[in-house]
Amino acid sequence: GAGVSQSPSNKVTEKGKDVELRCDPISGHTALYWYRQSLGQGLEFLIYFQGNSAPDKSGLPSDRFSAERTGGSVSTLTIQRTQQEDSAVYLCASSLMDLQNTGELFFGEGSRLTVL
Amino acid sequence: AQSVTQLGSHVSVSEGALVLLRCNYSSSVPPYLFWYVQYPNQGLQLLLKYTTGATLVKGINGFEAEFKKSETSFHLTKPSAHMSDAAEYFCAVSDGDGLTFGKGTHLIIQP
Repeated sequence: GAGVSQSPSNKVTEKGKDVELRCDPISGHTALYWYRQSLGQGLEFLIYFQGNSAPDKSGLPSDRFSAERTGGSVSTLTIQRTQQEDSAVYLCASSLMDLQNTGELFFGEGSRLTVL
Repeated sequence: AQSVTQLGSHVSVSEGALVLLRCNYSSSVPPYLFWYVQYPNQGLQLLLKYTTGATLVKGINGFEAEFKKSETSFHLTKPSAHMSDAAEYFCAVSDGDGLTFGKGTHLIIQP
């Protein structure tokens, strides 16, 4: 597609359930990021994938959070045993990391997660 | 290490008035600087960016920003605010290996 695609756009789940959020980056973009945006808060970095390198997981808030990126393209963010404090908008972004990389990110519209 | 400080979590201006959103950064290398805008219930979109060359950069919707190295600033301005400018604005800095965002400024436009 022309832009970063995220699904679902909205997800309501019960506390304790697992959820999966999907991100389809721009074709050819080797870098992929996940951010979390809570109500009234800024952007919280979660995880970063770059090509075939080991991901930077330094932003994941707990071991309930994990992410994978298959084939260097689509990524899935998984939250296990969801808690109410996990309610937020989860934003995915991708970037073309070339020799003249400026770090510009292209964002999807986000997945809004509500944990009841 | 790099960091971004946006002064003012909320800025309110009257329609037609000057918009000024402040951003200061720190970076150990010459930075790339960005402003992103987020309209309600949408993702972030690039408003403008500074990479090299002219220090005054123009973006979409009449916004512009000036890179001032001596002041480590990259403030965003627009001469005349419009109701449609109401949104969240994020300043970001990159050293070419990752983007660091400020906490955002919520711009409110008063009729």
